This record gives sequence, C-alpha cells and structure tokens, in this order.
Amino acid sequence: AQSVTQLDSQVPVFEEAPVELRCNYSSSVSVYLFWYVQYPNQGLQLLLKYLSGSTLVKGINGFEAEFNKSQTSFHLRKPSVHISDTAEYFCAVSFVLEYGNKLVFGAGTILRVKS
Amino acid sequence: DAGVIQSPRHEVTEMGQEVTLRCKPISGHNSLFWYRQTMMRGLELLIYFNNNVPIDDSGMPEDRFSAKMPNASFSTLKIQPSEPRDSAVYFCASSLAPRGAPYEQYFGPGTRLTVT
Repeated sequence: AQSVTQLDSQVPVFEEAPVELRCNYSSSVSVYLFWYVQYPNQGLQLLLKYLSGSTLVKGINGFEAEFNKSQTSFHLRKPSVHISDTAEYFCAVSFVLEYGNKLVFGAGTILRVKS
Repeated sequence: DAGVIQSPRHEVTEMGQEVTLRCKPISGHNSLFWYRQTMMRGLELLIYFNNNVPIDDSGMPEDRFSAKMPNASFSTLKIQPSEPRDSAVYFCASSLAPRGAPYEQYFGPGTRLTVT
C-alpha cells in the first residue's frame, strides 16, 4: 500500500532558527517526491521536487530537502527561518503505478515562526 | 500565464440548495483535479480527469456530488443538495501529465464554501 506520513502536525520555531519538517512514505513502487507550501487563504504552491539524480534538492525561499531511499524519507529543511515562512507545508508522493502516477498528499505540517 | 482560475472565491448557501464550483485549468494541461480541504480530514482528492475523461472518482463522497469537464478549458463541481458538512475549501489543480511521467500539480486559489 502507498501512504505518506508527516510526523508533526505543528512545528513552532523562533525566527532565524533552523527547522526540519519530516516526511516518510511507504511504497513498493518507484516514487517522485514533492513539497508544497500553503499560505493562509491561498492555494498550494510547489516548493521543490525530487525526480532523479542528486538526493539533495534545493527549492524556493531557501528550502531544501533530502531524499533518503533506505529510510523512505524526504525531510524538508531550512537553516534560518523568517516570520514569512509561517504556513502549512505538505509532502506529496507520486507513486508510479501500472495505470499511471498517483499523487498522495500528507496531512500537512503547520510551521509557526515566532519573533 | 493566469494560472488555475476558480470561481467563485467564496460561496455561502443554505442547506438544500444547489452549488456549482467552476475551474479553468492552465492552458495546455491535460489533467484536472478537484480537492476538498477541511480541518478534520485535511486535503482529499475528490476526482480527477485526464484529457477531459474522469479517471478516478473514488473520492467523491456521495451521489450528491458530480463533476464534469465538457472541454479542456473548463470543469465544474456540483453539489445537489448541499449540506452543512459540505462546508470546506474546494481546490482545483491542473497538470501536464503524460502517462508514467512524474508531474507537479498547479493549484487554484480555492473556493471557500459555507453551507448554513
């Protein structure tokens, strides 16, 4: 079965501190990995994606994520957060199935950056 | 590019009324998705179309919900009759998704539906 787990529903952090948002998945097939961000009252927008190649992927706004195949994880990191990073972050995994790809979203992690 | 366009942005209606949500995908995209987002259930995929054909509607909650895509540039999600538990934000997303290829979805701003 294919599933996506975001281990933390909320992550509070002080401004300029580093942050890691965790994402794990379960799959018996190949996957492609995405992180989306949703600001209040807006739709989701793509932050970064892993399709192939280097396991360290850099995205917009200083975020990066690392694909770890053995641990089936794709954790999102930022070395120094800003107040404007306050948002909800969704991990999404595209499972490569016989009939096509199926994109499954995690439950989301709310990042709260405090001054 | 204007991105995915959804209308209306907000809808307030009374229980029992028919509600129609509209979506215009990004030009050239061949897949369209309808999602529902609530605090309790998070982001749920309701239905998706590929080349205007419904591929997977297993997420549609019940027969009160229906979706159509009459052409490549327009889709509707209809709820008839609406109920208070349908209150949520409904997102439309589109992508260019050749079979077997990885793809990213582009989301619209959403329609916030309130059923009283």
